[in-house]
Amino acid sequence: EAGVVQSPRYKIIEKKQPVAFWCNPISGHNTLYWYRQNLGQGPELLIRYENEEAVDDSQLPKDRFSAERLKGVDSTLKIQPAELGDSAVYLCASSSSGNYNEQFFGPGTRLTVL
Amino acid sequence: GENVEQHPSTLSVQEGDSAVIKCTYSDSASNYFPWYKQELGKGPQLIIDIRSNVGEKKDQRIAVTLNKTAKHFSLHITETQPEDSAVYFCAALRGNEKLTFGTGTRLTIIP
Repeated sequence: EAGVVQSPRYKIIEKKQPVAFWCNPISGHNTLYWYRQNLGQGPELLIRYENEEAVDDSQLPKDRFSAERLKGVDSTLKIQPAELGDSAVYLCASSSSGNYNEQFFGPGTRLTVL
Repeated sequence: GENVEQHPSTLSVQEGDSAVIKCTYSDSASNYFPWYKQELGKGPQLIIDIRSNVGEKKDQRIAVTLNKTAKHFSLHITETQPEDSAVYFCAALRGNEKLTFGTGTRLTIIP
């Protein structure tokens, strides 16, 4: 069974530029999560989807971050414009249940903002 | 909200010895406690978890203990091997709310 797929793996951009990350969850998983992991820290939830619906986006900085999960499968996380402080690893995870148990993580996208 | 503290931040043990990582949580209503292993360049991988109605759980060389009264839980790795070297994260969950992670422990196994 294929795991969570993310692309790109690495992204380097200059500040004020836009950037987008893509995630394909494990087949059949209806819950999808985006996390941000700063260096030396644990992951922090940005947004959680149940199928197409964003059910928890309280930690998403909505002034510059946006996300979508069309058709309840793949998801895209966007930052526009990027700031220096956005440099981090962006992780996507999915689970088959409607709660937070047993989340499976992708390899992440390492974003560097110059 | 929930706050999870994890200690130590770094840990080095001789191969074959045991390693113990400890976490404390603040919300007494938290009821699910997973442990994740993260290798360089990879996402976190769930290695073991425990729910609040259980005091201890084992899976081969890995065990987790939970003390609800003291609000702390620990990861125990016995007979450590070089491939156990990684960053380990604990986390806590209350009901259907978000997972709160600790700050991680970098474990190094010395051959």
